[in-house]
Amino acid sequence: DQQVKQNSPSLSVQEGRISILNCDYTNSMFDYFLWYKKYPAEGPTFLISISSIKDKNEDGRFTVFLNKSAKHLSLHIVPSQPGDSAVYFCAARLSGGTSYGKLTFGQGTILTVHP
Amino acid sequence: DTAVSQTPKYLVTQMGNDKSIKCEQNLGHDTMYWYKQDSKKFLKIMFSYNNKELIINETVPNRFSPKSPDKAHLNLHINSLELGDSAVYFCASSLTNTIYFGEGSWLTVV
Repeated sequence: DQQVKQNSPSLSVQEGRISILNCDYTNSMFDYFLWYKKYPAEGPTFLISISSIKDKNEDGRFTVFLNKSAKHLSLHIVPSQPGDSAVYFCAARLSGGTSYGKLTFGQGTILTVHP
Repeated sequence: DTAVSQTPKYLVTQMGNDKSIKCEQNLGHDTMYWYKQDSKKFLKIMFSYNNKELIINETVPNRFSPKSPDKAHLNLHINSLELGDSAVYFCASSLTNTIYFGEGSWLTVV
């Protein structure tokens, strides 16, 4: 039962354009969402996050949008740069209790930004 | 000045062997984790420790035993290795909402 899904295995974008990565979740008890970026042979690197009480969070070229009613979040990267080419993971955290801190990850989307 | 460091990065070993992966964080975090990335690339939690106390154990075979000598270290011991244990194992730590990962340990069991 995959509670966090990234339905696009890959995305190809031209440099300078917008990249939009999508993520859907099923568990309404998730209260915090994160995006991680991963290069080959490295660990996931934290990118940006959003609390369930917000619908948007922006950090430089990266913006995360959360639509709680649709159980959907997206990561916008603008303008996209070749160095953004990596695997992007969406992750969600359950609120409270012994699950505190546990992240449930999507399967990742490979972003390729072409010069 | 690596924040979460784990060793070894690559490990090739035979079935039936016992091996350990070490992890250290210098971020002053009080919670540490082990995650596993399987062949389908899913990242799934195995264990979490808070101040040396086990918090999460995600139905991992008891051949896997984490040990936290202090809150800056969380080592993973694996006994009687099986072919299916081949994966990438990531150590991580957190203080609040954000979890920071190490670079991963690529384990291959032959």
